[in-house]
Amino acid sequence: SQQGEEDPQALSIQEGENATMNCSYKTSINNLQWYRQNSGRGLVHLILIRSNEREKHSGRLRVTLDTSKKSSSLLITASRAADTASYFCATAPGSNDYKLSFGAGTTVTVRA
Amino acid sequence: EAGVTQFPSHSVIEKGQTVTLRCDPISGHDNLYWYRRVMGKEIKFLLHFVKESKQDESGMPNNRFLAERTGGTYSTLKVQPAELEDSGVYFCASSPSPPASGYTFGSGTRLTVV
Repeated sequence: SQQGEEDPQALSIQEGENATMNCSYKTSINNLQWYRQNSGRGLVHLILIRSNEREKHSGRLRVTLDTSKKSSSLLITASRAADTASYFCATAPGSNDYKLSFGAGTTVTVRA
Repeated sequence: EAGVTQFPSHSVIEKGQTVTLRCDPISGHDNLYWYRRVMGKEIKFLLHFVKESKQDESGMPNNRFLAERTGGTYSTLKVQPAELEDSGVYFCASSPSPPASGYTFGSGTRLTVV
């Protein structure tokens, strides 16, 4: 079964609003990563948060990690039409195990 | 720097035929990975190369799939013979060791088996 599960599966918001999506996982991790996939394109790495970190920022992105609850959230502030994409969380199990486990993704639609 | 390049971007083949996908990683990245996304489901790991060696091939679905990375540079993933359930998007990624800041993915190859 999949390691990461995103919630919600789909999200539709107005331009300028914030978008929040969550990811839960099952086993211990070394780090958790968020990726974006625009329609028909490849996966783009957004941000990586390590298991000993609780919060990380990158531009309009804010990621939190709660290892006690085995969950992470991705917040996109002041959304733009270009943020329309599918967002995936992926977990890396160990420092010497580079295999990523992905969730099914959250599809975000930003309406102009 | 150039990103991860995958070829072809799309492939439509008939059931029973053979298809070979190619991935050119970022130069200098020892680690190369293959993933695939089938029918809108989650992205699943197929295998991991470190240079030319298969580090982990636990995700390969069956022996119809053969991956190679001769010389530790580009990699190929051959599906022979292709079945309908092999349809999906095949992603390649590469990273340095260790992958401190995430992985770089290619745009994927969309494989359709009819």
